[in-house]
Amino acid sequence: DAKTTQPNSMESNEEEPVHLPCNHSTISGTDYIHWYRQLPSQGPEYVIHGLTSNVNNRMASLAIAEDRKSSTLILHRATLRDAAVYYCILRKAGSQGNLIFGKGTKLSVKP
Amino acid sequence: GAVVSQHPSWVICKSGTSVKIECRSLDFQATTMFWYRQFPKQSLMLMATSNEGSKATYEQGVEKDKFLINHASLTLSTLTVTSAHPEDSSFYICSAGSGTGTNQPQHFGDGTRLSIL
Repeated sequence: DAKTTQPNSMESNEEEPVHLPCNHSTISGTDYIHWYRQLPSQGPEYVIHGLTSNVNNRMASLAIAEDRKSSTLILHRATLRDAAVYYCILRKAGSQGNLIFGKGTKLSVKP
Repeated sequence: GAVVSQHPSWVICKSGTSVKIECRSLDFQATTMFWYRQFPKQSLMLMATSNEGSKATYEQGVEKDKFLINHASLTLSTLTVTSAHPEDSSFYICSAGSGTGTNQPQHFGDGTRLSIL
């Protein structure tokens, strides 16, 4: 499985945008880029996913580099509730298998 | 949206006790569910894949006789930690996919924190 690399931790101020990077230089053409986050003492929750084009939903935006070797999860206005560990995960198209979690990025949000 | 319910949220019990954790898909059917374990300050590690109507598939190093999985219906999988010991104390999380389309997201339960005294 192709690996992803994320910074261990990031800090943000409340109500400011946050850009969470992810490198996946060995991504294959059939790998989708998924993002999940895990709030303290909870199970992970789905955030967003994409293949080639940038994606937006009510939670976040996903910007995917043209060569697909990196991506950035964008939280447009961080809130205290966004403090969590964010996981960038590659998943083969059509896969119904388990997710493979790396260490993720621990995001702290300061008031 | 699709919801996965996990019960109980936390358990504290004595060493040697067996503990059953339930994972239910509330508004969709799941032929496959996954069980993960998470130790403090670590990431989620897959323990086993639960298959409706058939035997579970366990990851290397996970004892199938200790972690019994039953997936008797399309909406319920259970994980029983048999004769639990302090080293089994962990955060157990289940997940399920809600569809067969391309890259449907996985939906996770809120986890069960197991503390063995």
